[in-house]
Amino acid sequence: AQSVTQLDSQVPVFEEAPVELRCNYSSSVSVYLFWYVQYPNQGLQLLLKYLSGSTLVKGINGFEAEFNKSQTSFHLRKPSVHISDTAEYFCAVSEGGTNAGKSTFGDGTTLTVKP
Amino acid sequence: DGGITQSPKYLFRKEGQNVTLSCEQNLNHDAMYWYRQDPGQGLRLIYYSQIVNDFQKGDIAEGYSVSREKKESFPLTVTSAQKNPTAFYLCASSPSSRVGGELFFGEGSRLTVL
Repeated sequence: AQSVTQLDSQVPVFEEAPVELRCNYSSSVSVYLFWYVQYPNQGLQLLLKYLSGSTLVKGINGFEAEFNKSQTSFHLRKPSVHISDTAEYFCAVSEGGTNAGKSTFGDGTTLTVKP
Repeated sequence: DGGITQSPKYLFRKEGQNVTLSCEQNLNHDAMYWYRQDPGQGLRLIYYSQIVNDFQKGDIAEGYSVSREKKESFPLTVTSAQKNPTAFYLCASSPSSRVGGELFFGEGSRLTVL
């Protein structure tokens, strides 16, 4: 079975400051890792994903994440946040293949960017 | 534009009533999914379908039913047997041939039981 733990439920940060949202996972098989963003009363959209290859993954809106297999982590970072980055962020893990959509999600991290 | 359309966006129901949430996609994706989202919690899988006329229970299927008669459509019925149906419901799809299985989501339907 796979599981995802997002270590911070809420992260407040000032505009233009750097931010890191932490995600740890557990799985008995190789996994694919995702970060999604959700704005209020909307669906989720993909920020970035790790499938294989380089452990540093770049996504949309200036976000990036680093896959660390030994620490089973996939932390999301942005060097300078904007007010518009205020949203809920979800880390997810999937085994891929025929179970591709059976993603397991963390409980989410609310990022609040203050002026 | 290609995407997933969920309707209605907001729905109110009296206790004891069944309601059906619509989900339509024009992405030509094989797989479709229904997730439930509660405040402060992640998404939990209700049902999923990898192919037309076939679907499987997810982690919290009790009190829900689905059908997949067309590739484009995957409606979810919330039955009166669902003990706590008030939630935000998200439909998603993925091209099952794609490695990694990223999900494409609709805008969601918010169900409130009065």
